[in-house]
Amino acid sequence: AQSVAQPEDQVNVAEGNPLTVKCTYSVSGNPYLFWYVQYPNRGLQFLLKYITGDNLVKGSYGFEAEFNKSQTSFHLKKPSALVSDSALYFCAVRDPNDYKLSFGAGTTVTVRA
Amino acid sequence: GAGVSQSPSNKVTEKGKDVELRCDPISGHTALYWYRQSLGQGLEFLIYFQGNSAPDKSGLPSDRFSAERTGGSVSTLTIQRTQQEDSAVYLCASSLETGVGETQYFGPGTRLLVL
Repeated sequence: AQSVAQPEDQVNVAEGNPLTVKCTYSVSGNPYLFWYVQYPNRGLQFLLKYITGDNLVKGSYGFEAEFNKSQTSFHLKKPSALVSDSALYFCAVRDPNDYKLSFGAGTTVTVRA
Repeated sequence: GAGVSQSPSNKVTEKGKDVELRCDPISGHTALYWYRQSLGQGLEFLIYFQGNSAPDKSGLPSDRFSAERTGGSVSTLTIQRTQQEDSAVYLCASSLETGVGETQYFGPGTRLLVL
C-alpha cells in the first residue's frame, strides 16, 4: 500500500524568502507524485506532478518540486514566497497499480509580510 | 472551461436523516472520484467511477454510504441515517482517464454537518 508523510504540520517564512514543504512517500512500484494546495473553504487546486523524466518538475504559480528516488522524497519549493502563498499544502502519491490518491496530512504554510 | 462543481456547498442535517451530495465533473472526463476530508482522518478515498461503473467500493465507510453515476457524467453520493461522525467535507474529483499519470481535478466540496 502507498503512503505519504508530511513531517511538518506548519511552515512559517517571511515574504521573499525561499519556501520548502517536505514530503516523503512509500509505494511498491514507480511513484506518481502530486502536490495540491487548498485555500480556506475551497477545494484542492493542482500545482504539479511527477510521472517520469526530469527530477525537477515545474508547476503553477512559480512552484517546483524535486523528485529524489534514493531519499523517497518529493519536496515542494518556491524560491521567493508571497503572502498569497499562505494555504494548506497536500502531497499525494498514486501507486501504478491503483487509481486513488493517498494524501499526506497536509502542511499549513504561513508567509508573513 | 468549467471545473468540477458540487452541490450543495453546505448541508446541515439532523442525525438519522438521509442526504444526497451531487457532483458534476469536467465535461468529457470519464473518471470520477469521491474523497472525504475530516479533521481526524485527513483526506480519505471513498469510491471511484470509470464511466458509470464503480469497480471498487471498498473505501466507503459503511453500508450507509452509496454512490451512483449516470450518463457517464453526474454522480450522487448518498448517506443514509446520517451520524455525527459523517460530518466532513466531501470532495469530488474527475480526470480525463484513469491512467496513472492523469491529474485529478477537484471541486470545491460539500461541507456536511450532522447535528
